[in-house]
Amino acid sequence: AQSVTQPDIHITVSEGASLELRCNYSYGATPYLFWYVQSPGQGLQLLLKYFSGDTLVQGIKGFEAEFKRSQSSFNLRKPSVHWSDAAEYFCAVGGGGNKLTFGTGTQLKVEL
Amino acid sequence: GAVVSQHPSRVICKSGTSVKIECRSLDFQATTMFWYRQFPKQSLMLMATSNEGSKATYEQGVEKDKFLINHASLTLSTLTVTSAHPEDSSFYICSARDGGHRLDSPLHFGNGTRLTVT
Repeated sequence: AQSVTQPDIHITVSEGASLELRCNYSYGATPYLFWYVQSPGQGLQLLLKYFSGDTLVQGIKGFEAEFKRSQSSFNLRKPSVHWSDAAEYFCAVGGGGNKLTFGTGTQLKVEL
Repeated sequence: GAVVSQHPSRVICKSGTSVKIECRSLDFQATTMFWYRQFPKQSLMLMATSNEGSKATYEQGVEKDKFLINHASLTLSTLTVTSAHPEDSSFYICSARDGGHRLDSPLHFGNGTRLTVT
């Protein structure tokens, strides 16, 4: 079965600082990997996804993620965080059929 | 861009009543829609996969008689919470896959429905 671990429940960074959100997955084959962002009371918006090819993936809003097979990781990064980036971030893995499995999320707080 | 409309955004109902939540794909056809439940400060838990014209596939532990799913057309899926109880209070989110069943087909999310059962 596929699973996702997001080790950090909460992260606080200062505006302008760099950000890295961790994601580790478990899946027997090459996974499909996703990062989503959720604002309070809203649905999810796709930031980026990895299916194959270049392991460094660029997404929207200046985010990027790197797939590292040896570490079973797909960490999300942003060089300079903006206050509007404060939200809940979910990593997800797909591979078994048509379904996604989500991690427990990381709540990002941005200090001005 | 593709939009999924979920309605209502908030609903309060009395214990024992039923509530219907609609999920519509506005500018694409969705053969597959998914229903999730999200508890406060927690992840999305997949409840069921809704396929147009066929019965929904429920995840283990989800009561199919309590959470009725209907996907009567390529643009509409509904989730009905029957005989609601306070423990059914939660945030329900639908998503719709654009262009087929594959994981690389875009997946669009509704804005969710906050259900409160009193």
